[in-house]
Amino acid sequence: GESVGLHLPTLSVQEGDNSIINCAYSNSASDYFIWYKQESGKGPQFIIDIRSNMDKRQGQRVTVLLNKTVKHLSLQIAATQPGDSAVYFCAENLDSGGSNYKLTFGKGTLLTVNP
Amino acid sequence: EPEVTQTPSHQVTQMGQEVILRCVPISNHLYFYWYRQILGQKVEFLVSFYNNEISEKSEIFDDQFSVERPDGSNFTLKIRSTKLEDSAMYFCASSESRENGYTFGSGTRLTVV
Repeated sequence: GESVGLHLPTLSVQEGDNSIINCAYSNSASDYFIWYKQESGKGPQFIIDIRSNMDKRQGQRVTVLLNKTVKHLSLQIAATQPGDSAVYFCAENLDSGGSNYKLTFGKGTLLTVNP
Repeated sequence: EPEVTQTPSHQVTQMGQEVILRCVPISNHLYFYWYRQILGQKVEFLVSFYNNEISEKSEIFDDQFSVERPDGSNFTLKIRSTKLEDSAMYFCASSESRENGYTFGSGTRLTVV
């Protein structure tokens, strides 16, 4: 029968390699972007964020790149470890005039790190 | 590190019954949210809450849903008459301001039978 739900893009890497996870966002007016990591059975865990006035931001082992021209966001993980295995979501925010943010999530990428 | 705490972790309910999902946001946060994730699908926005009122809600958040901050620490989501399609993981989140990223709780898995 027909399967229900999204078929996630998957990325499989060897331990120690660098990983690049990509995301195309939908709204050119979005001004704030977040990458989340979600392990099985857990809530999204904040990794790194970036505002639309920047094109690159670095954290510990992670770098986010933002290309507003093509509405593209990427997450680079250096020296990937088995503990990095999870689903990674990008989320965008558009200030719709309210008092706070509403996040729109992408469909996620499953990263598998092979020892 | 401060956490958003959700209870229960798993709730099974009969169709048509009311459920209340509970959340304790991070204590100095002012903005509160509920999201849900149907198995294998994207995380979807339900509602945001600030200054004791709903700021924004999605199409999913119909009149069967309500939120409340009954005291200074809890933030609840009530579903009045559950349907089978309400089965999902429900995540609470909070943020200190617009400038800071959200913190999500570990979620409540709601199963409607």
